[in-house]
Amino acid sequence: AQKVTQAQTEISVVEKEDVTLDCVYETRDTTYYLFWYKQPPSGELVFLIRRNSFDEQNEISGRYSWNFQKSTSSFNFTITASQVVDSAVYFCALSEAEWDNAGNMLTFGGGTRLMVKP
Amino acid sequence: DAGVIQSPRHEVTEMGQEVTLRCKPISGHDYLFWYRQTMMRGLELLIYFNNNVPIDDSGMPEDRFSAKMPNASFSTLKIQPSEPRDSAVYFCASSIPGQGGAEAFFGQGTRLTVV
Repeated sequence: AQKVTQAQTEISVVEKEDVTLDCVYETRDTTYYLFWYKQPPSGELVFLIRRNSFDEQNEISGRYSWNFQKSTSSFNFTITASQVVDSAVYFCALSEAEWDNAGNMLTFGGGTRLMVKP
Repeated sequence: DAGVIQSPRHEVTEMGQEVTLRCKPISGHDYLFWYRQTMMRGLELLIYFNNNVPIDDSGMPEDRFSAKMPNASFSTLKIQPSEPRDSAVYFCASSIPGQGGAEAFFGQGTRLTVV
């Protein structure tokens, strides 16, 4: 069975600080996909990034960066120079690739609530 | 495209009443998912469809819940009869085929309160 653990339930930082959100996953599959979603106070779920299990390259997008390490089954998310607008709940999710009609079923972690104070 | 559209955004109903949540997926997306978000259980998949056919409904909590997708542009999630423990935010999401790799696009959710 697949599982995603986000051990940090809540993080509070002051604006301009860097912050890393941890994500650890469990899966028996060799092919899988990892995602991060953002849920701002307005409630919608916003897709941030997708990474497949064969691509361990770190990715940077503006102030956001992701560190994927298969050896530790982790997919951590770092926000550099955090801003108040980054305040949200962030979810890490896992999807196991199947060759039938399994589609893109997501198993979500419990989420990390990030509060960025001015 | 306007994205995944859910209605209503908020629903308050009395215990025992029937509730119907609606979803319009993004055009061209073959997969449709219903998720539920609660404080206790987080985000959990209830059911998903591929080309309008239900594929996996193992997440549906009990027989009071049912979902349909009569065509490619519309799906419903029905709870009958509703109970206070059904109070949650229900999300609909859609995606293109991708053997697990395509990201799901979520609607804004329906916040259901059963009193």
